[in-house]
Parts: sequence; structure tokens; C-alpha cells
Amino acid sequence: QLQLQESGPGLVKPLETLSLTCSVSGGSIISSGYYWDWIRQPPGKGLQWIGTIYHDGSIYYNPSLKSRVIISVDTSRNQFSLKMNSVTAADTAVYSCARRERYYNWFDPWGQGTLVSVSS
Amino acid sequence: DIQMTQSPSSLSASVGDRVTITCRASQSISSYLNWYQQKPGKAPELFIYAASSLQSGVPSGFSGSGSGTDFTLTISSLQPEDFATYYCQQSYSIPYTFGQGTKLEI
Repeated sequence: QLQLQESGPGLVKPLETLSLTCSVSGGSIISSGYYWDWIRQPPGKGLQWIGTIYHDGSIYYNPSLKSRVIISVDTSRNQFSLKMNSVTAADTAVYSCARRERYYNWFDPWGQGTLVSVSS
Repeated sequence: DIQMTQSPSSLSASVGDRVTITCRASQSISSYLNWYQQKPGKAPELFIYAASSLQSGVPSGFSGSGSGTDFTLTISSLQPEDFATYYCQQSYSIPYTFGQGTKLEI
């Protein structure tokens, strides 16, 4: 059964860089037909799609975050990562990674999510 | 961006009730519409994909319909485990966007 697990610091200072890794187990990140995505949810609010990567390195970002976000993939470790720079309190959220089916673009499964707080 | 609007934002219902949640897209998205269930402290789970296809393992009491701009999620007979927040998501174009959620309460 495919599982995704986020890891990274739970606290980041304002204007610094948020870094998270998603480890994929029970399947290969180079499986054809699937993209690998990041999604966030501020406390008490709705879901925001951050961006996506394919194992061949194809990347797409949410235009609203594009200037601050980098997503990368490490196929040898079966992981993909998120970096977001110049964070503010508005970036405080639960960050989740998810697998996305490439034709109808649904997200399944999701990682359990990790809360990242931005505070000095 | 395609805006997704869910209604209602919250809904009080009882076990055994039939409930319908609606989701409207700001432009046509064909059948590129997915529904997720989220329980407190948990990640969302895919329940319906491509507007009307039931994800494996999801109870048959759940159904989805619609195309274009208007979609519905129906639960035919509410069970205690169905009380959660439901989100729609358009998967027609990037950036993928979600509705604001419908909290289904007892």
C-alpha cells in the first residue's frame, strides 16, 4: 500500500526558508501516470494547491506562490521536496504531500500532513 | 483561477438522513471534479473522482453527479462515521482549486 510521509521543521522564523520532504513508500516515485504534489491548509481554513512534480523533472507551481517555491525530486531516495522562501505568518499551515493521477488529476493518497508554524 | 463554491458551508443532519452538498465552478470544468472527506486532525481522503466515480472502499451510499459547472455529492443515509468536512476540487486546470468545505454536523 502506497504511503507518503512528510518531514521537516515544525517552526520556521519569518523571512527564512521552509523546507519539507515527502518520503514515498510502498511504491515507486517513477511510476508512470502519477505526479507528486504539495498542498497546504492554514489552521481553520481551506486547502491550497502549491505545486507538482513528475519524476522526469516537469514542474508546475501555483502562480500565487511561484516566486517563492521550489519543488524537487530525488528518485534515488524515492522522495520529493518543497522549499518556500521568505515565509511569513500567513504561511503557517499544515503542509501535505499527495500523489496525483495524471489524467483526471485527483489526489490519492495523501500524507498525514505536518504543521509548520512561522514565528520568531 | 477557477473558483469553486460549495454550499452549504455547514449542515446539521441526523443519522439516516439523506443529504446533498453542492459545488459550483466559476467556469466549465467538464467532469474534472473530485470530492474528499476530511475528519479532524486527518488528511483528506478521496471519495469521488471524475464527478461520479466512487473511490474503492467508499460506501455505496455516497454518490456524485454533475458536469460543466454544477455538481452534487449525495449521501443517501447518513451514518455516524460520515460526519466530517467535505471538499470539492476542480482538476480541470492548474492551479487546482478547492471549495471552502462543507462541515456536516450531527
